[in-house]
Amino acid sequence: DQQVKQNSPSLSVQEGRISILNCDYTNSMFDYFLWYKKYPAEGPTFLISISSIKDKNEDGRFTVFLNKSAKHLSLHIVPSQPGDSAVYFCAASARSGGGADGLTFGKGTHLIIQP
Amino acid sequence: GAVVSQHPSRVICKSGTSVKIECRSLDFQATTMFWYRQFPKKSLMLMATSNEGSKATYEQGVEKDKFLINHASLTLSTLTVTSAHPEDSSFYICSVRVLRGTPDTQYFGPGTRLTVL
Repeated sequence: DQQVKQNSPSLSVQEGRISILNCDYTNSMFDYFLWYKKYPAEGPTFLISISSIKDKNEDGRFTVFLNKSAKHLSLHIVPSQPGDSAVYFCAASARSGGGADGLTFGKGTHLIIQP
Repeated sequence: GAVVSQHPSRVICKSGTSVKIECRSLDFQATTMFWYRQFPKKSLMLMATSNEGSKATYEQGVEKDKFLINHASLTLSTLTVTSAHPEDSSFYICSVRVLRGTPDTQYFGPGTRLTVL
């Protein structure tokens, strides 16, 4: 079963507008969430993360919002730029479980920024 | 962040042969590295956790005798695909877990495209 879900395989946004990528999770043990950007045939690049003790984290054009009760997080990119076109992966881990946990990834959302 | 390299970036091999993929942490001593696999149009799937100086921890469904992991130093982990089959063709990516206060984050290598003929 998919513990991290990105239900939109693709998203098209006009340049300059806000891009909102959504992610839902089912495992209540997850307490740390990350967003990665990935180009074809390359490794993921870390964008931003959020701990479950927070509900918002901002870094430049990127903001991640976490709604624990809904088990939902979103990544906002504003303003969207052509270079933002890529596949965005949501990932989660259960750090408080102890040990070095790997990440559980969603299937990704292909963001297309249109000029 | 951390700079992570992988070698080779691309490899084509015959069925039945073994292939070794190296993952290096260039600027960070990593006690823990992770190996992931990504099939076309699919998500990244964690294969195993590589621990320096000890045995790797494999995820359910991943054959430890087929995917040999060695983490001999704080900067190098290797993944050897033994007796490769066409269904092992995939994109293999390693990551380094960086612990600098909290929170910890994983930084990924560029990946290795394995094609088994």
